[in-house]
Amino acid sequence: DVKVTQSSRYLVKRTGEKVFLECVQDMDHENMFWYRQDPGLGLRLIYFSYDVKMKEKGDIPEGYSVSREKKERFSLILESASTNQTSMYLCASSPGLAGDNEQFFGPGTRLTVL
Amino acid sequence: SQQGEEDPQALSIQEGENATMNCSYKTSINNLQWYRQNSGRGLVHLILIRSNEREKHSGRLRVTLDTSKKSSSLLITASRAADTASYFCATDAEENAGNMLTFGGGTRLMVKP
Repeated sequence: DVKVTQSSRYLVKRTGEKVFLECVQDMDHENMFWYRQDPGLGLRLIYFSYDVKMKEKGDIPEGYSVSREKKERFSLILESASTNQTSMYLCASSPGLAGDNEQFFGPGTRLTVL
Repeated sequence: SQQGEEDPQALSIQEGENATMNCSYKTSINNLQWYRQNSGRGLVHLILIRSNEREKHSGRLRVTLDTSKKSSSLLITASRAADTASYFCATDAEENAGNMLTFGGGTRLMVKP
């Protein structure tokens, strides 16, 4: 079974702090994604990566950066956390094959910024 | 941008009834997928239907796709209380790069025992 793990289920940080959210997948997937999920807005793509050291902006990259130094790990970084970044953050991965590109999700990190 | 839009936003039914959720999208797609999310958890893939397919079944799930209307429906037959969850459609648009998916806002399904 594909497993996607996220470093924390719940996280509380203060405004201005630097926040790291880690995601690890164990199936050698090329693609990895970071989403945020807010009530009424569904899932919105922040960043994705299709290879080591490669990254692409999604729909809402402002205030975030990412790092992919190893194939299995994709990190989301909030350089200076703000209260409007309080949200559920979901990481996902998928194989690098065109066509059937089912995404496998981690359990999510609920981040609260005070 | 949100391409898939689910309808209804919320649905409440009795156990044993069928639940139908609809999804509309805007651009040409390679495939459309449905996911399920239990409260406070990650999403789980349910079923994928390719653009050249019209109907697909998996257990109690039936998905249809009408590319001329840019719409899809998910039918859950003989629902159970354990089906209570949010359901999302996601589209793999032809214009997307890197196997991106665009998710809709979801339908919250409640199945009452």
